[in-house]
Amino acid sequence: GENVEQHPSTLSVQEGDSAVIKCTYSDSASNYFPWYKQELGKRPQLIIDIRSNVGEKKDQRIAVTLNKTAKHFSLHITETQPEDSAVYFCAASWAKYIFGTGTRLKVLA
Amino acid sequence: GAVVSQHPSWVICKSGTSVKIECRSLDFQATTMFWYRQFPKQSLMLMATSNEGSKATYEQGVEKDKFLINHASLTLSTLTVTSAHPEDSSFYICSARGGQNTEAFFGQGTRLTVV
Repeated sequence: GENVEQHPSTLSVQEGDSAVIKCTYSDSASNYFPWYKQELGKRPQLIIDIRSNVGEKKDQRIAVTLNKTAKHFSLHITETQPEDSAVYFCAASWAKYIFGTGTRLKVLA
Repeated sequence: GAVVSQHPSWVICKSGTSVKIECRSLDFQATTMFWYRQFPKQSLMLMATSNEGSKATYEQGVEKDKFLINHASLTLSTLTVTSAHPEDSSFYICSARGGQNTEAFFGQGTRLTVV
């Protein structure tokens, strides 16, 4: 069936360094790719998204890139801060809305 | 962003009883709603996709007779967990969107505990 793979599952970086999280999707019909941050026991919060007609999108310290041919998309966080520590999920959407397996990011002060 | 309200936020029920969870889009018409369950330290697992006026499409391994989904209007979908058992205890969360290729907005989730 359709699935979204996400790597790494955990990531530790020093404050100020960059963090990169990668996702691969299986269904070529996917046309919308959001990224979420989730606090424990709370709803996911959208941090950035990209549509299939765009290759890259940036919002301050956060950027997302999409390679439709390879079915890959990635989240890039620059100048990481301790408050960026959280669980991040990618998702791929068409008729469905499928989440990746999640990445626990720790930013070390 | 748009607002999706989910109720109740938490519920404790006895084994064998049924529980209904509501998901409402407050300021937009939701043509599609999604239902997920999330176990501790795991991802959101899609249970079913519900389009207004149609039967829900369930993911493989999700029992449609156990998890009844109704999407009778463009602003309301319900998930009923029938004959709940302790293994159904989980965090259930809905999301709603107005059209494909758009952001889905999430409810606050329901923590179900079956005792």
